[in-house]
Amino acid sequence: GNSVTQMEGPVTLSEEAFLTINCTYTATGYPSLFWYVQYPGEGLQLLLKATKADDKGSNKGFEATYRKETTSFHLEKGSVQVSDSAVYFCALSPSMNRDDKIIFGKGTRLHILP
Amino acid sequence: ETGVTQSPTHLIKTRGQQVTLRCSSQSGHNTVSWYQQALGQGPQFIFQYYREEENGRGNFPPRFSGLQFPNYSSELNVNALELDDSALYLCASSSAGGGYNEQFFGPGTRLTVL
Repeated sequence: GNSVTQMEGPVTLSEEAFLTINCTYTATGYPSLFWYVQYPGEGLQLLLKATKADDKGSNKGFEATYRKETTSFHLEKGSVQVSDSAVYFCALSPSMNRDDKIIFGKGTRLHILP
Repeated sequence: ETGVTQSPTHLIKTRGQQVTLRCSSQSGHNTVSWYQQALGQGPQFIFQYYREEENGRGNFPPRFSGLQFPNYSSELNVNALELDDSALYLCASSSAGGGYNEQFFGPGTRLTVL
């Protein structure tokens, strides 16, 4: 079946540190991959996406590359800010080019210290 | 453009009761998906409605049911509430019709079952 596994948190970093949150997936076919972010008291927001192998999604300084050979979609940011503190969810949609029936990982809580 | 809204924000019920949660989709969207997010977990897909018909369902029992109205707003009904139904319920809307369909999430309804 389809599933997403991401590193457990919480992850605590100092401001301006380099961030990596690991994510691997299991899927049949050609899924689309996503990172969502959930700020305290708010709903989920799409952070970035990639719909085919070797695509790189990027937004707000965050990046992730769709690696089919390693079934991974790790989230990276070169210099984190306090405002990046949130819960990050790696997710996939089993259908290419559609994001219905999204399957989420358990989430990784990120704390950035000033 | 109005985003996805959900009501109520919070709700407390007792075991065995029934609850109705409401979602107004974003303007121009015709598809609504519902997710359950237990504490410390990622959202899990409950079901999706497209043009007033159920269009896919996750691993949830029949006591979870839904409706979509002609204006594309939606309701989630849960009968015979159990303690494990305590969660954040998220609604997401999108515009199906070919190509990539990003889902936009509402802030959620937090249900507590005592």
